[in-house]
Amino acid sequence: DTAVSQTPKYLVTQMGNDKSIKCEQNLGHDTMYWYKQDSKKFLKIMFSYNNKELIINETVPNRFSPKSPDKAHLNLHINSLELGDSAVYFCASSQSGANVLTFGAGSRLTVL
Amino acid sequence: ELKVEQNPLFLSMQEGKNYTIYCNYSTTSDRLYWYRQDPGKSLESLFVLLSNGAVKQEGRLMASLDTKARLSTLHITAAVHDLSATYFCAAESSGNTPLVFGKGTRLSVIA
Repeated sequence: DTAVSQTPKYLVTQMGNDKSIKCEQNLGHDTMYWYKQDSKKFLKIMFSYNNKELIINETVPNRFSPKSPDKAHLNLHINSLELGDSAVYFCASSQSGANVLTFGAGSRLTVL
Repeated sequence: ELKVEQNPLFLSMQEGKNYTIYCNYSTTSDRLYWYRQDPGKSLESLFVLLSNGAVKQEGRLMASLDTKARLSTLHITAAVHDLSATYFCAAESSGNTPLVFGKGTRLSVIA
């Protein structure tokens, strides 16, 4: 059983399109995150949700909109994709008070 | 703003040798985390260091934390090829804030 699962694993799309990445965790954690890893492998927090509530929203263009329908799911929708959005997006989860993150396998987004 | 710096960013070492990766962070943080990432794969938790002076060991890897110096080290003993990966350290500025990651140290162990 995959603990944190993301779909799709690969996404290739044209500039200007809108796309979504889905994330689900079956660990019973109450906090979920989106991290972006660029081509140089730098890993940066984008969003953090705790029990479906947005906790952290780092400086991310408002073309990125996270949605958490319940505490086991955190989806990421991206509007008007740009070349600079090409990266690997990692979903992760943790339990409050214990900040050990469990990461998903990543979703590699390529914008042409 | 919490900043986390690792060095070196690239490390090529021979099998059998020892080496240390350093992780400095800029503000008070009682916890420090180490992760491993294999090429094209996800991040896997290696160590969680929860207090000053904490030391944890797993196989050929040993991590330690000095909160006064704001420094954590990851020591590699008698490196083997299987240790080739990128190693990230991460810190948190307070409980329940997302981890801030260093830039990673890409380790290559060569025969």
